[in-house]
Amino acid sequence: GNSVTQMEGPVTLSEEAFLTINCTYTATGYPSLFWYVQYPGEGLQLLLKATKADDKGSNKGFEATYRKETTSFHLEKGSVQVSDSAVYFCALTPSSGNTPLVFGKGTRLSVIA
Amino acid sequence: KAGVTQTPRYLIKTRGQQVTLSCSPISGHRSVSWYQQTPGQGLQFLFEYFSETQRNKGNFPGRFSGRQFSNSRSEMNVSTLELGDSALYLCASSSTSGGGLRDTQYFGPGTRLTVL
Repeated sequence: GNSVTQMEGPVTLSEEAFLTINCTYTATGYPSLFWYVQYPGEGLQLLLKATKADDKGSNKGFEATYRKETTSFHLEKGSVQVSDSAVYFCALTPSSGNTPLVFGKGTRLSVIA
Repeated sequence: KAGVTQTPRYLIKTRGQQVTLSCSPISGHRSVSWYQQTPGQGLQFLFEYFSETQRNKGNFPGRFSGRQFSNSRSEMNVSTLELGDSALYLCASSSTSGGGLRDTQYFGPGTRLTVL
């Protein structure tokens, strides 16, 4: 079946540090891949997405590249800020059929000043 | 464009009661889906509605039900509440292309339900 595996958190970084959150997936065909972010007490916000191999999604300084060969979609940011503290979810939708988002378990990021 | 709105934002109920949550999708979106988020189970899909019809359903008991109105607004209902139903309930809508769950899902802020 379809699944998403994210690195376990929590991740604690100092401000301006480099961030990587690993995400790998299992799916047939070419799923669409997403990163969502959830700030404390809020719902999910779409951070970025990629719909085909080698696509790079980017937003607010975050980026992730769809790697079909390694079935990965790692999230990166060059310099994190305290305001980036949140839970990050990697997710996919399969390439066919009307099936719901499959989420990873989420990675909590804490950025300290 | 206004985002997905959900009401109420917070709700406290007691076991055995029922509850109705409301979701208004982004204007023009016709697909609305619901997810339950708990610390233990993470994000789990409840159901999806498109043009007033349930198109997809997750693995939840029949106490969980929903409907969609002609203006695409959706409600979900949980009857005979149990302690384990305490969760954040998220609604998401997707674009007008008809692809439904394959289209990008935009989420609302959620309704935090606490069952005592």
